[in-house]
Amino acid sequence: LAKTTQPISMDSYEGQEVNITCSHNNIATNDYITWYQQFPSQGPRFIIQGYKTKVTNEVASLFIPADRKSSTLSLPRVSLSDTAVYYCLAQANQAGTALIFGKGTTLSVSS
Amino acid sequence: DTAVSQTPKYLVTQMGNDKSIKCEQNLGHDTMYWYKQDSKKFLKIMFSYNNKELIINETVPNRFSPKSPDKAHLNLHINSLELGDSAVYFCASSQEASGRDEQYFGPGTRLTVT
Repeated sequence: LAKTTQPISMDSYEGQEVNITCSHNNIATNDYITWYQQFPSQGPRFIIQGYKTKVTNEVASLFIPADRKSSTLSLPRVSLSDTAVYYCLAQANQAGTALIFGKGTTLSVSS
Repeated sequence: DTAVSQTPKYLVTQMGNDKSIKCEQNLGHDTMYWYKQDSKKFLKIMFSYNNKELIINETVPNRFSPKSPDKAHLNLHINSLELGDSAVYFCASSQEASGRDEQYFGPGTRLTVT
């Protein structure tokens, strides 16, 4: 079972900032938070990863509070092409562990 | 250059047949994976190989047999195909075998069993 919980779907308009929150109440000490994006008919694509505090790259920001029981993926100024499924994963930093994907959040961006 | 490639992209076959899906990665990664995404879009790990050795083998019918001839290739052979095997199969690779390591996914193979 996935160790994370996230909203099933979200709607937004072009140009808005989108924040997707993920709950991981039972996160382990050696777990990292990783987000993947999947477009229709494509494989998932890595977006961002963090352990605590804030991580930012050219695509998104990831906010993880001190207790690490939740995290928020922030997508600045979304466009229609950001319509996709976003998966939040809590993955252990150890060999032989598989990615466990939950249901993900389907983000729909409209004009 | 395609990082992770799969062939074929589409595969339509009848129940009872045997089929194979091939995967190749040109990233120089040590670890490769097979995932299955069903009609409800759940993505589940099936197998993982690290340096040609099986390290993850989830609860998958033994009709499914992965084969890794070298680090760059991981093929999936399926015997006696059933209707429930219809799904999209994704191959992926990562530099190391840690769950934290970024995985690169192929474009998927859509298998339809009739």
